[in-house]
Amino acid sequence: AQKVTQAQTEISVVEKEDVTLDCVYETRDTTYYLFWYKQPPSGELVFLIRRNSFDEQNEISGRYSWNFQKSTSSFNFTITASQVVDSAVYFCALSEAMGRRALTFGSGTRLQVQP
Amino acid sequence: DGGITQSPKYLFRKEGQNVTLSCEQNLNHDAMYWYRQDPGQGLRLIYYSQIVNDFQKGDIAEGYSVSREKKESFPLTVTSAQKNPTAFYLCASSSRQAGPPYEQYFGPGTRLTVT
Repeated sequence: AQKVTQAQTEISVVEKEDVTLDCVYETRDTTYYLFWYKQPPSGELVFLIRRNSFDEQNEISGRYSWNFQKSTSSFNFTITASQVVDSAVYFCALSEAMGRRALTFGSGTRLQVQP
Repeated sequence: DGGITQSPKYLFRKEGQNVTLSCEQNLNHDAMYWYRQDPGQGLRLIYYSQIVNDFQKGDIAEGYSVSREKKESFPLTVTSAQKNPTAFYLCASSSRQAGPPYEQYFGPGTRLTVT
């Protein structure tokens, strides 16, 4: 069975601080996909990034960066110079390559960025 | 614009009543999914359908039913057998034709309150 763990339930930072959201996953599949979603107060899920299991290259997109380490089964997300608009719940998710291809979500990390 | 619509955004029902949540997509996606989100938790899979006229139970299907008579539509019925129906319900779809990673696109969600 697949499992995603986001141990940080809630994080509070002051604007312009850097913050890292942790994600650890478990799967027996050799091919799988990892995702990060943002959920603002409106509730809709906003896609941020996806990574496949055979691509461990880190990625940077503006103030966002992702560190994928297969050796530790982690897919961490860093926001540099956080802003109030980054306040949301962030979910890490895992998808299998075969079968139902549904997403297995972590419990989410609520990020509050104070002005 | 292409996307997924869910209606209504807020839904209130009395205990013991069945209620149907709507999900429509115009993305020409084959696969559709229903997830449930409870406060402070991640999303959990209720039902999914990878093709018209076929659907499968997810991890928490008890008390729910679905149909997939049209490619564009995947309504979810919350029956009176569902013990704790109050939750936020999200519908998603993905394209099998596009190949992996079968990225899922989410609707805006329906917040159901049963009293």
